[in-house]
Amino acid sequence: GAVVSQHPSWVICKSGTSVKIECRSLDFQATTMFWYRQFPKQSLMLMATSNEGSKATYEQGVEKDKFLINHASLTLSTLTVTSAHPEDSSFYICSALAASGWETQYFGPGTRLLVL
Amino acid sequence: ELKVEQNPLFLSMQEGKNYTIYCNYSTTSDRLYWYRQDPGKSLESLFVLLSNGAVKQEGRLMASLDTKARLSTLHITAAVHDLSATYFCAVEFTNAGKSTFGDGTTLTVKP
Repeated sequence: GAVVSQHPSWVICKSGTSVKIECRSLDFQATTMFWYRQFPKQSLMLMATSNEGSKATYEQGVEKDKFLINHASLTLSTLTVTSAHPEDSSFYICSALAASGWETQYFGPGTRLLVL
Repeated sequence: ELKVEQNPLFLSMQEGKNYTIYCNYSTTSDRLYWYRQDPGKSLESLFVLLSNGAVKQEGRLMASLDTKARLSTLHITAAVHDLSATYFCAVEFTNAGKSTFGDGTTLTVKP
């Protein structure tokens, strides 16, 4: 089956620093990737839709200058949390849609971010 | 407004029992998904339902879709402890190009 990886799995950083999270589709090409955030005991909240070669589409209330998304190739999207603060601590999950169809999102294993 | 409502939110049941989780949504959709999430883990895809009357089964789980009622159900048959997890439904509304998730149903199966 289709595999999506995320790196790193977890990260602890100091307030004010930037953190980059990578999302890779390992065995398929993904024209579209999604970035979600999940707080404890809550559902997934879509942050942005990332399309290869174009600017990401951000959901209402998500600051595009704070959460920088780059989808440079058909197998890689990155999310950079700039000037991270404790309230940015969360579980970040990416998913990818295969270039051939829309039937299923393949989810990455998630990245747990803790900002001190 | 694009809304997806799941109920119940929490469910505790004994092994061997049956139960149904409901997922209601607000307007027309192209696809409906069911996912499983174990604590501390990401999502695992269970089912994708595409058309009215669609029914899919995998082991003790069966999902169905009624597009006219805007309702999907996830039925658990003879529950076992290994089914303990949080289950999410997600709806890809028509022309939205993205999925909207329900709040999730946390299932605990007790011996």
